[in-house]
Amino acid sequence: GAGVSQSPSNKVTEKGKDVELRCDPISGHTALYWYRQSLGQGLEFLIYFQGNSAPDKSGLPSDRFSAERTGGSVSTLTIQRTQQEDSAVYLCASSLALGLVFVTQYFGPGTRLTVL
Amino acid sequence: SQQGEEDPQALSIQEGENATMNCSYKTSINNLQWYRQNSGRGLVHLILIRSNEREKHSGRLRVTLDTSKKSSSLLITASRAADTASYFCATRNNAGNMLTFGGGTRLMVKP
Repeated sequence: GAGVSQSPSNKVTEKGKDVELRCDPISGHTALYWYRQSLGQGLEFLIYFQGNSAPDKSGLPSDRFSAERTGGSVSTLTIQRTQQEDSAVYLCASSLALGLVFVTQYFGPGTRLTVL
Repeated sequence: SQQGEEDPQALSIQEGENATMNCSYKTSINNLQWYRQNSGRGLVHLILIRSNEREKHSGRLRVTLDTSKKSSSLLITASRAADTASYFCATRNNAGNMLTFGGGTRLMVKP
């Protein structure tokens, strides 16, 4: 079936503007993750959703970052008042439910964000 | 912050040679996974090894895990030019939900 999809693939914005990044997980995957990959920091976890549970936001770098997941499927990562250091590739992944199962996360192609 | 370190950071070999990449991590883990990434996008899952496993094979890939040393290695045998990519190890701990990635190894396989 279809993999994880993300949109847009590339986004260029001006400093101070808000951006929204979208992720469509694999159908049936109840867990959804956002990661960021930047030159200086490598791959970093941002936020995790699992079903109807409260999201794990422990990786969000500041309160300018937020994410929601509507209907347990599509997720939107919002960055308010973007800064140049927000420039990175934002990767979304999904997996089956966790618990005692050793699950694999499947990654989308990412959104490359450039803040001018 | 990154969980561990990978070495080498970059590796250049000739087609047909074997490539070995190493990964070290810091905390107790539930499992360790290796991913491949082409051109800075699209992480592809390669192989998962559980904390109670020591070695796993998948095609030309061989992964080892030494939990006493908190290290893992990925061996790609008979490399091909198409194996050129960045390779990342990632760990999931027993309590966490997310993966923590190493810094990656950039592999170049010359035809």
